[in-house]
Amino acid sequence: GESVGLHLPTLSVQEGDNSIINCAYSNSASDYFIWYKQESGKGPQFIIDIRSNMDKRQGQRVTVLLNKTVKHLSLQIAATQPGDSAVYFCAETYSGNTPLVFGKGTRLSVIA
Amino acid sequence: DAGVIQSPRHEVTEMGQEVTLRCKPISGHDYLFWYRQTMMRGLELLIYFNNNVPIDDSGMPEDRFSAKMPNASFSTLKIQPSEPRDSAVYFCASSLGGATNEKLFFGSGTQLSVL
Repeated sequence: GESVGLHLPTLSVQEGDNSIINCAYSNSASDYFIWYKQESGKGPQFIIDIRSNMDKRQGQRVTVLLNKTVKHLSLQIAATQPGDSAVYFCAETYSGNTPLVFGKGTRLSVIA
Repeated sequence: DAGVIQSPRHEVTEMGQEVTLRCKPISGHDYLFWYRQTMMRGLELLIYFNNNVPIDDSGMPEDRFSAKMPNASFSTLKIQPSEPRDSAVYFCASSLGGATNEKLFFGSGTQLSVL
């Protein structure tokens, strides 16, 4: 079973509503950002990424917004489903060849 | 492809014992990463390899930790001797080089409990 994340910020959302998960990053030089999803007992899974020359990027049911002025990143999930329940991590890096630095994560709980 | 494969999935050992965690990266990926995940510290990078060569091991907590990558399809993370504070989930991840090396593919992890 999962042994991590018990003290994470938690977002509870009704099934069918939209979810917004926020992340503040620390390095103003970071130019590449990724959102990962981690389900219980599994490794993190890539969701969507964005480079610093963009403000917004859309995927299937997910949108990532980047505000470089305030160093803020958000993940929007449309029509949240029970299968979206997981811990979500943002990660940042710069120059393309340095390892990702992960945030602490947010637990999303979907209420059916 | 089966993805990144880690073994064992669970390991329970006693303090002082040697622990070896194993990882098989995705074929063709030339970067391999070892991460540790705990409640207190989140996901921490321990070490990473490029083309089987260790590039940065500054995240390895102590000399008790060592990692090897003898070939492109296998890596080990060893803890000797193990201590209770090493209890965590250890993830291996791999990625392609170049502009896409940020997209890590993670294994399912090894949950280590040191008693």
